[in-house]
Amino acid sequence: LAKTTQPISMDSYEGQEVNITCSHNNIATNDYITWYQQFPSQGPRFIIQGYKTKVTNEVASLFIPADRKSSTLSLPRVSLSDTAVYYCLVETGGYQKVTFGIGTKLQVIP
Amino acid sequence: DSGVTQTPKHLITATGQRVTLRCSPRSGDLSVYWYQQSLDQGLQFLIQYYNGEERAKGNILERFSAQQFPDLHSELNLSSLELGDSALYFCASSVELGLGETQYFGPGTRLLVL
Repeated sequence: LAKTTQPISMDSYEGQEVNITCSHNNIATNDYITWYQQFPSQGPRFIIQGYKTKVTNEVASLFIPADRKSSTLSLPRVSLSDTAVYYCLVETGGYQKVTFGIGTKLQVIP
Repeated sequence: DSGVTQTPKHLITATGQRVTLRCSPRSGDLSVYWYQQSLDQGLQFLIQYYNGEERAKGNILERFSAQQFPDLHSELNLSSLELGDSALYFCASSVELGLGETQYFGPGTRLLVL
């Protein structure tokens, strides 16, 4: 089971780009990397998912280097409403175990 | 709104009691997951069902059990409750079973054991 490591917390000013990096050293060939966002007392919400290189959607980008030992979630021009906990998840084949970890608490400052 | 519903929203009970949490997945989703989130903790995966069958088990206590019914709704049963079982319990669903499947989370059930 691939273990993930993320910073516990980050602060950013409104309008800045935020990059949150997740380390997953023993990721397997077929594993996917997924990021979720969670607001207090709400269920997590899917943000983006990728396998390799770069994926972009309307809310974020996900950069995965060739060695796949890490990935970076990029949030462009954050606003106060982006204040949340962000989880990096490595989805291992067969869903034998799904571990979200503690996540990164992002605080956006006015 | 993710399309996943959970009932009840809040539950207060006493130690030693038993409770049942209910989850209705999104229409068409065959896979259901249960998670526990204690205060300031990450999400702990408990168990997964796919089309009525248990497919993966995480750190689920023996006092806890779950099942998925033919209509695909799922129930999580918690018995002999302890103070430490107080937490948010989330249900999630996905279309299929396998890699790359996005999980859609419900609003959660907040359990308080007194």
